[in-house]
Amino acid sequence: GDSVTQMEGPVTLSEEAFLTINCTYTATGYPSLFWYVQYPGEGLQLLLKATKADDKGSNKGFEATYRKETTSFHLEKGSVQVSDSAVYFCALYSSASKIIFGSGTRLSIRP
Amino acid sequence: DGGITQSPKYLFRKEGQNVTLSCEQNLNHDAMYWYRQDPGQGLRLIYYSQIVNDFQKGDIAEGYSVSREKKESFPLTVTSAQKNPTAFYLCASSGRTSGRTDTQYFGPGTRLTVL
Repeated sequence: GDSVTQMEGPVTLSEEAFLTINCTYTATGYPSLFWYVQYPGEGLQLLLKATKADDKGSNKGFEATYRKETTSFHLEKGSVQVSDSAVYFCALYSSASKIIFGSGTRLSIRP
Repeated sequence: DGGITQSPKYLFRKEGQNVTLSCEQNLNHDAMYWYRQDPGQGLRLIYYSQIVNDFQKGDIAEGYSVSREKKESFPLTVTSAQKNPTAFYLCASSGRTSGRTDTQYFGPGTRLTVL
């Protein structure tokens, strides 16, 4: 069945460092791909999405490119801030009309 | 201001009691979902509803029940049969945007603690 695998955390970086959180998927067809962010004690917020191969989703300085050949959707940001500390979830819209979430990656940014 | 509301934010109940969690949306979305999140874990689907008066079990439906009498509302009841109900519960909805219905939008969550 469809699945999402993302790098385990926690990831700890210094402010202004470059961020990559890896995400790979297994799915039939061409599913839509998402990154969601969850701040402490809150619900999930959609960060960005891509709906077809080679699409790049971007928002708030974060980017991810839909790579069909490597079945990946890695999240990147050039210069992280303390306010980016949160849990990040990679997800796909499956052939069963449900969203499949990865297990989440906790990101902590040191001032 | 469109969005999804969940109430209350924190809920405490004694073991053996049923409890109902509220979820309301004014986004005019057809589909609604309930997820459970345990500490340090991802999300697990409890129930979902694609249309009014219809709903399907997700991956962990045992010990839970739902109703969908109105498009805007999708309450979740945690029954006494749920063996470990203490968790963070998230409601979501999705509607048709740009011809797709694949993006889910989440409420702020309800943290249920059973004493």
